[in-house]
Amino acid sequence: DAGITQSPRHKVTETGTPVTLRCHQTENHRYMYWYRQDPGHGLRLIHYSYGVKDTDKGEVSDGYSVSRSKTEDFLLTLESATSSQTSVYFCAISEADAEATYEQYFGPGTRLTVT
Amino acid sequence: RKEVEQDPGPFNVPEGATVAFNCTYSNSASQSFFWYRQDCRKEPKLLMSVYSSGNEDGRFTAQLNRASQYISLLIRDSKLSDSATYLCVVRYNTDKLIFGTGTRLQVFP
Repeated sequence: DAGITQSPRHKVTETGTPVTLRCHQTENHRYMYWYRQDPGHGLRLIHYSYGVKDTDKGEVSDGYSVSRSKTEDFLLTLESATSSQTSVYFCAISEADAEATYEQYFGPGTRLTVT
Repeated sequence: RKEVEQDPGPFNVPEGATVAFNCTYSNSASQSFFWYRQDCRKEPKLLMSVYSSGNEDGRFTAQLNRASQYISLLIRDSKLSDSATYLCVVRYNTDKLIFGTGTRLQVFP
């Protein structure tokens, strides 16, 4: 299994509070991603990073920010959590391989509940 | 229209059966294709990449039909442990992936 960890694994927080989720990898992969997964939707990309300090928005980026100060860490911050951000959050990593397939490998996920 | 569409199922099959899933994608510029497996309350795990010539990995066979824009996954001799949700995934001209919502498979004794 790819060396990806996420913390915390579970979190319950109140509306309006800031929340930061951490993704840590030991694979030295260049690309890192944050997704959310909700019933009836496929995984949806929130933000991604293609290198240290290089990030960009995904399809559902409103209300989220990210930072990547080191290759191994990618942080997702909810500045002011809302109930609509209750979800399961997955981090993923990838690297350009010889076939340029960009296979992604996922962390174990964080279950976030905003009350 | 969703970019990647799958029948949500569930597909309920007995052990030993052969089962096939299809997935259609809308962007003809798609470059890479994958099947992921996701167990309940777990992360998606890469099952196999799908190549133009088709590929096989043990009991699993993946096919790509670019003309009709669909991908298939065939599972032979189903096991109880194959019960999971299977996600169809497509990559366009970037490093980002588009995920289908998944097809649920339940294998019963």
